[in-house]
Order: sequence, then structure tokens, then C-alpha cells
Amino acid sequence: AQSVTQLDSHVSVSEGTPVLLRCNYSSSYSPSLFWYVQHPNKGLQLLLKYTSAATLVKGINGFEAEFKKSETSFHLTKPSAHMSDAAEYFCVVSDRAGGTSYGKLTFGQGTILTVHP
Amino acid sequence: DGGITQSPKYLFRKEGQNVTLSCEQNLNHDAMYWYRQDPGQGLRLIYYSQIVNDFQKGDIAEGYSVSREKKESFPLTVTSAQKNPTAFYLCASSRSYRGERETQYFGPGTRLLVL
Repeated sequence: AQSVTQLDSHVSVSEGTPVLLRCNYSSSYSPSLFWYVQHPNKGLQLLLKYTSAATLVKGINGFEAEFKKSETSFHLTKPSAHMSDAAEYFCVVSDRAGGTSYGKLTFGQGTILTVHP
Repeated sequence: DGGITQSPKYLFRKEGQNVTLSCEQNLNHDAMYWYRQDPGQGLRLIYYSQIVNDFQKGDIAEGYSVSREKKESFPLTVTSAQKNPTAFYLCASSRSYRGERETQYFGPGTRLLVL
């Protein structure tokens, strides 16, 4: 079974300061991991994904995440927050397909990022 | 431009009424999905389809039905049996369901409200 825990339901930062959104996962297999962003009343947009290549993954809009197997974490970071980063962020895990096991996505509860001027 | 479209953006349902949400994609993806999003609960899978004329129940299929007659289209019907339909519904697609590397791409969503 797989699961995802986003450790903070809300994060508030000032514009120009670093962003850290925390995610821990549990997976029976070697997982693929994703971060999606959702602006109010919009669909989800893929920020980045990890699929067993480099453990430090760079995404769009200056975001990056590091896969740490020993800590079962996949935290999302950005060096300098922008007002347009204010949104809800979802950490997502997918078990590797193998045999009859399908790559079902499991979503975290979401972290709302607020950026203050 | 390739993408996923959902319509309508807002939908109102009366008591005892069935309503259908549209999802169309021109990405040539084989797999399509429907999710329900409630505040503070992330996304939950309602139905998914790996190929035309085939679909499977997800985690919360009760009160919903789907069809997949064309590769591009995967409509979702919210039936009167769904007692708490108010939510934001998201459609997604991917190149295939089997394979964790297949990223899912999402439409803009439909917000369903009960009158």
C-alpha cells in the first residue's frame, strides 16, 4: 500500500524568501513521485516528477525537489518566493508498475502556500 | 494546442436529477480518469479507463457512471444515487494507465453544486 503525508496544511512566506513544502511517502515498491500545483478553481499543473533518475529534480517556475529514500521524503523547495506562487500544492506517489500492480496515484491532502508582499 | 477540456465550468443539480460532466482530450492519450476533490481531502479516484469501451471503478465509484465510446471522450454521469455530489470534479489523461512513469495531465475542472 502507498500513502502520502504533507506535513503542513498551510505555509506562509514573504515574497523573496525561500519556500519549503514537506512531503513524506510510504510505498511498497520503488515509487514515482510528483508535485502538482493548483490555483483557485483551476486544474492541476505538473511542477516536477521523480522516476528513479537523478534524486534532485528540477521543475518549472524555479521549483525543485529532492528524493531521499532513507528519509522517505520528497520535499519541494524554491529559493525565492513570488506572489504568483500562492496556490495549493499536492505531493503525489505512484507505485512502480510490475506484474499486475498498476501505477495508481495517491494524493496528499495538499499544502496551501500564502505569499505576503 | 493539445489539452483537456471540461464542460461546463459550473453545473447545478436539482434533487433526484442525473447530470453529465464532459471531458474531452486531444492529446491522443489512451487512459483517462475522473477524480473528485473536496476541501482538505486531496483527490479521490472515481473511475478510470485504459482503453476505449473499457473502464474500471476507482475508490469512490458509488453513485457515478461513465462511458468510453471514443478515445477522446470520457463523460461522467452523477446519478441521483450520489447523495453528496457537491464537489470539484477533475478529469485527467495519460498515455497509458499501466506504468508509473505515465504522467497524468489534468483538465480545468467542473464545479458541481446542488440546488
